Amino acid sequence: DTEVTQTPKHLVMGMTNKKSLKCEQHMGHRAMYWYKQKAKKPPELMFVYSYEKLSINESVPSRFSPECPNSSLLNLHLHALQPEDSALYLCASSPRAPGNYGYTFGSGTRLTVV
Amino acid sequence: DAKTTQPPSMDCAEGRAANLPCNHSTISGNEYVYWYRQIHSQGPQYIIHGLKNNETNEMASLIITEDRKSSTLILPHATLRDTAVYYCIVHLFYNQGGKLIFGQGTELSVKP
Repeated sequence: DTEVTQTPKHLVMGMTNKKSLKCEQHMGHRAMYWYKQKAKKPPELMFVYSYEKLSINESVPSRFSPECPNSSLLNLHLHALQPEDSALYLCASSPRAPGNYGYTFGSGTRLTVV
Repeated sequence: DAKTTQPPSMDCAEGRAANLPCNHSTISGNEYVYWYRQIHSQGPQYIIHGLKNNETNEMASLIITEDRKSSTLILPHATLRDTAVYYCIVHLFYNQGGKLIFGQGTELSVKP
């Protein structure tokens, strides 16, 4: 299995809702990432997990709450979001060494906040 | 990580080689050059990476200058499916986690 799987693919939520994005990989990668991408812009790094511990938080607002329950799974919990948080949310994982394949990205969750 | 400079857009005729340049003049000795591409509304796709030597795989070739201050990604026979945004990223690879930071990229249009 050489994929990063993200669910759901699309999500519409109100500003008072609580929802979660899920990301899963079975490549044995011990580093996982969340990125946010607005239309016509490059992906922006949000969080980095290394060995199931949060190692980098790029000053992301607390309405985004990451969680890494085990080495294969990464969640992003969403609460009280704003319309400007509408974006494509990408998950990625990376191997222990540069190896042959670099970082592997999922296809993303398209989030719309109404 | 060092910053990169890429042209915002390029055109290429189908079947011809696409040569995408990237400048990374502040690259340090242990930073890798990575190339990714993103086809509309999909996740970025890894293409190739290198440290010092030129590299080739089934998708592309990567040519890194001897001083490592610039590189060129070559798609030998571009097809319409290669139309995408191509990102050149200089990255210090951490063992199990680091910051892969995307620049603005080059939007490549392959035309019939």
